[in-house]
Amino acid sequence: GAVVSQHPSRVICKSGTSVKIECRSLDFQATTMFWYRQFPKQSLMLMATSNEGSKATYEQGVEKDKFLINHASLTLSTLTVTSAHPEDSSFYICSAILTGAYGYTFGSGTRLTVV
Amino acid sequence: AQSVTQLDSQVPVFEEAPVELRCNYSSSVSVYLFWYVQYPNQGLQLLLKYLSGSTLVKGINGFEAEFNKSQTSFHLRKPSVHISDTAEYFCAVSSGNQGGKLIFGQGTELSVKP
Repeated sequence: GAVVSQHPSRVICKSGTSVKIECRSLDFQATTMFWYRQFPKQSLMLMATSNEGSKATYEQGVEKDKFLINHASLTLSTLTVTSAHPEDSSFYICSAILTGAYGYTFGSGTRLTVV
Repeated sequence: AQSVTQLDSQVPVFEEAPVELRCNYSSSVSVYLFWYVQYPNQGLQLLLKYLSGSTLVKGINGFEAEFNKSQTSFHLRKPSVHISDTAEYFCAVSSGNQGGKLIFGQGTELSVKP
């Protein structure tokens, strides 16, 4: 089946540094990918929609300059958390739309801890 | 815009008992509905989805859900739960067009006790 590979699974970084999270579609082309953020014991909050070859569309309240999204190819979307702070610590999950058998497939998530 | 409400944040149940996790949605257009399960520190696994057709949808691991348009509900059921069903369950909705955003409910923590 369609698989999205997300890396890294866990990352610890120092406050003020930047972290890049990658999502790759392994056996299909993902023209649209979504990035979610999840706080402990809470739901998934949609951060942005990423379309290959164009600028990402951010949800209201999400800082575009802090959460940089790049979708340069049909198989790779990246989320870069810039100048990370402890409040950016969270679980980040990517998702891709499956055309054909309509649905969504999810990456395994990235646990970001900013110290 | 669509929204999803999961009516129970926590559902404790004994092993082999039946369970129902409730989900209501709101939308001004036709929708696609999904149920996902999430184990700790993992991504989401699709249990089942409703796109069209029969309102009773059967999914993996013995789960099923019924789409009720008049009540705008999509409740998840399982006749007999196992310890391994302990997890977080999310109901989600997307608009009836390709490329639609997937919006999640708040989640229901199912805790199965021996």
